[in-house]
Amino acid sequence: EDQVTQSPEALRLQEGESSSLNCSYTVSGLRGLFWYRQDPGKGPEFLFTLYSAGEEKEKERLKATLTKKESFLHITAPKPEDSATYLCAVQASAAGNKLTFGGGTRVLVKP
Amino acid sequence: DSGVTQTPKHLITATGQRVTLRCSPRSGDLSVYWYQQSLDQGLQFLIQYYNGEERAKGNILERFSAQQFPDLHSELNLSSLELGDSALYFCASSKEGTGYGTQYFGPGTRLTVL
Repeated sequence: EDQVTQSPEALRLQEGESSSLNCSYTVSGLRGLFWYRQDPGKGPEFLFTLYSAGEEKEKERLKATLTKKESFLHITAPKPEDSATYLCAVQASAAGNKLTFGGGTRVLVKP
Repeated sequence: DSGVTQTPKHLITATGQRVTLRCSPRSGDLSVYWYQQSLDQGLQFLIQYYNGEERAKGNILERFSAQQFPDLHSELNLSSLELGDSALYFCASSKEGTGYGTQYFGPGTRLTVL
């Protein structure tokens, strides 16, 4: 069974204090790893897709990286508007197109 | 705005009732997915439709059913509702049915069962 574990569950940062979120996964054949951002009561907003180990993608203050067992979402010099829950999801080759999500990391950036 | 629309935004109903949630995918997307998000279970995949046909099933209860219509909009029907069905229900869409494809999520329907 595909499993995704995110850590930490919650993260409190000062504005400008860089940090990393972890997503560990166990899948039978990774088709893709996805990062989403979710604000309270809203739908997940797509951030990145990573397909193979060693791949990196960047968007503004966010950078996602992928290894064979985990992915990291680095937040550089965060701002209060980066406060959200960040969700990691995997798509496994044997599981069709469904996404298996981790529990998320709630990030709060204080000014 | 992802381009995926869902109605209604909120739904309050009583146990034992039946409700229908509606989703319109992004223009050009053929696949529609339904997910349930509750506090204790996180985001869980329910079912996928591709161009009108069921493509994949997750842990969807027998009381729940879905369909995708010729215009590609989808409806999720929840019947004999229980308190535990209270959750956020999200629809997502993607272009592909079996290949690589990013899923874009709608704003969700918040269901409250009293």
